[in-house]
Amino acid sequence: GAGVSQSPSNKVTEKGKDVELRCDPISGHTALYWYRQSLGQGLEFLIYFQGNSAPDKSGLPSDRFSAERTGGSVSTLTIQRTQQEDSAVYLCASSATRTASYEQYFGPGTRLTVT
Amino acid sequence: LAKTTQPISMDSYEGQEVNITCSHNNIATNDYITWYQQFPSQGPRFIIQGYKTKVTNEVASLFIPADRKSSTLSLPRVSLSDTAVYYCLVGDINDYKLSFGAGTTVTVRA
Repeated sequence: GAGVSQSPSNKVTEKGKDVELRCDPISGHTALYWYRQSLGQGLEFLIYFQGNSAPDKSGLPSDRFSAERTGGSVSTLTIQRTQQEDSAVYLCASSATRTASYEQYFGPGTRLTVT
Repeated sequence: LAKTTQPISMDSYEGQEVNITCSHNNIATNDYITWYQQFPSQGPRFIIQGYKTKVTNEVASLFIPADRKSSTLSLPRVSLSDTAVYYCLVGDINDYKLSFGAGTTVTVRA
């Protein structure tokens, strides 16, 4: 079956602009996660959705970052007033379990470059 | 997350078996062991998860001794396409915030 898809695959934006990153999880997966991975850095958790609600937003680095999920499926991560330090690969993952889990299935990521 | 230690890198040749050992001396009773694989410019890929003894799937085997203070990921008959970074994670079954350390870079040569 289809895996997790993300769009765009690459995004170059100017500092100060807003960007939207999209994630389509595996059909039927109720849990959805956003991470970012910077060059040479590890994986950084951003937010977790169970259905349409986000019980854990603890990883969002600032109030410029927000995310929503609609219909228990597609999720959008929005970064307002982008800064150069936001440059990273943004990864989305989903899992089939009713509760969150370490068994997550990742998309290919969106490489964000802020110039 | 329990602290884990794994080798920084390993070299192998096509057709060989690769065994990556991860140490996790402070593993807790409710902790599971999970391994991920990541290719350059791709998202991580879940490989296998286990609690004790041995777990096998179509990709790999995971060996966990009785004391659970270490675990070994075994990749049978590797090919060039198995060249990747492999990450060992240890955490409660209800954990979900994946956090990768440096991982083990496995390089398979022809």
